[in-house]
Amino acid sequence: DTAVSQTPKYLVTQMGNDKSIKCEQNLGHDTMYWYKQDSKKFLKIMFSYNNKELIINETVPNRFSPKSPDKAHLNLHINSLELGDSAVYFCASSPLRGTEQYFGPGTRLTVT
Amino acid sequence: GQSLEQPSEVTAVEGAIVQINCTYQTSGFYGLSWYQQHDGGAPTFLSYNALDGLEETGRFSSFLSRSDSYGYLLLQELQMKDSASYFCAVREDQAGTALIFGKGTTLSVSS
Repeated sequence: DTAVSQTPKYLVTQMGNDKSIKCEQNLGHDTMYWYKQDSKKFLKIMFSYNNKELIINETVPNRFSPKSPDKAHLNLHINSLELGDSAVYFCASSPLRGTEQYFGPGTRLTVT
Repeated sequence: GQSLEQPSEVTAVEGAIVQINCTYQTSGFYGLSWYQQHDGGAPTFLSYNALDGLEETGRFSSFLSRSDSYGYLLLQELQMKDSASYFCAVREDQAGTALIFGKGTTLSVSS
């Protein structure tokens, strides 16, 4: 009965590779997000989707491409991985205009 | 520009009271949230203030002053399990799709 789930939990890969992180929520929420948390714990919004449509696209390299096949899923694909992409990536969801965001467990990406 | 300022670290002992302050400067403001994150875990929601005043939820309370662009999280009767990072976050738009986080305050509770 996990509310927001992400796979994989850990991802270790080499520079230049392409990888994807999957996110699913079973809360019936309309809005989903991707956040990046760096080694100093700074949590920054990357993308926000409402009902499969892109709402927010912060200043993120275009190597990052979110895809929402339906409103319960928001995947993150990263091309040509760089060392600086190493971080924990959190997916989250909320009702539209909701005051609380529900976070997934995170995916720790390590680029070597 | 956008900025949220909060202390980087706070230490306290069990049973004490701690206040974590947050000042903000953002392009939009619809409310201030607080999230807790344990090491290795995900952020979890604690509270939300849209209007001035104090909101109380058990041992935790949150305060907002919109005129001062300031809020705080008050943690009472501290327990060891309260050791975590605490983030304030500004809701920048009415839809709640833009949440800007502070850099977090690491709270260490000792016995």
